[in-house]
Amino acid sequence: QQQVKQSPQSLIVQKGGISIINCAYENTAFDYFPWYQQFPGKGPALLIAIRPDVSEKKEGRFTISFNKSAKQFSLHIMDSQPGDSATYFCAASMLVFGNEKLTFGTGTRLTIIP
Amino acid sequence: EAQVTQNPRYLITVTGKKLTVTCSQNMNHEYMSWYRQDPGLGLRQIYYSMNVEVTDKGDVPEGYKVSRKEKRNFPLILESPSPNQTSLYFCASRPGLGGEQYFGPGTRLTVT
Repeated sequence: QQQVKQSPQSLIVQKGGISIINCAYENTAFDYFPWYQQFPGKGPALLIAIRPDVSEKKEGRFTISFNKSAKQFSLHIMDSQPGDSATYFCAASMLVFGNEKLTFGTGTRLTIIP
Repeated sequence: EAQVTQNPRYLITVTGKKLTVTCSQNMNHEYMSWYRQDPGLGLRQIYYSMNVEVTDKGDVPEGYKVSRKEKRNFPLILESPSPNQTSLYFCASRPGLGGEQYFGPGTRLTVT
């Protein structure tokens, strides 16, 4: 049972364009929604995160849009650069018996072409 | 430098031969976890630990053991590895509830 669905599986965007990755969740108990960026041979690293009390969070070229009623959230990368080429994972977190349990999406491989 | 380290980074072994993947963090974090990453499945939590001597199962604990005798170390033990445990493994740590989670560089395990 996958509680966080991520799409697309892969994405190719031209340099300077906007990259958009979407996630949907099922469990309304989730209360924290981070995005992770992973380069080949490296572990995931926190990129940006949002809590459900706001609809948008922006950090530089990266923006999370959050739609609580639709149970969806998305990552927008503005002015995409070749250095943004990586795998991106959305995640959702909730507290379960004292464990802040992260449930990950399946990942999106983003390629930025010149 | 604040970091999570894992060893080995690559390991090829045979079915049934016990192995241990070590994990160490130098940030004095309370929480540590192990994940496995498989294509099309994302990352799934194997075990977690909220403090020394406190460990519990994650989503896919079958075939794995862990221990937390010291705050900085959280080894993953495969007593009798099987081919379905071929995967990319990540250790992670975070300071506490709501804190950022830091991942290690990963251990690619192949069981033949």
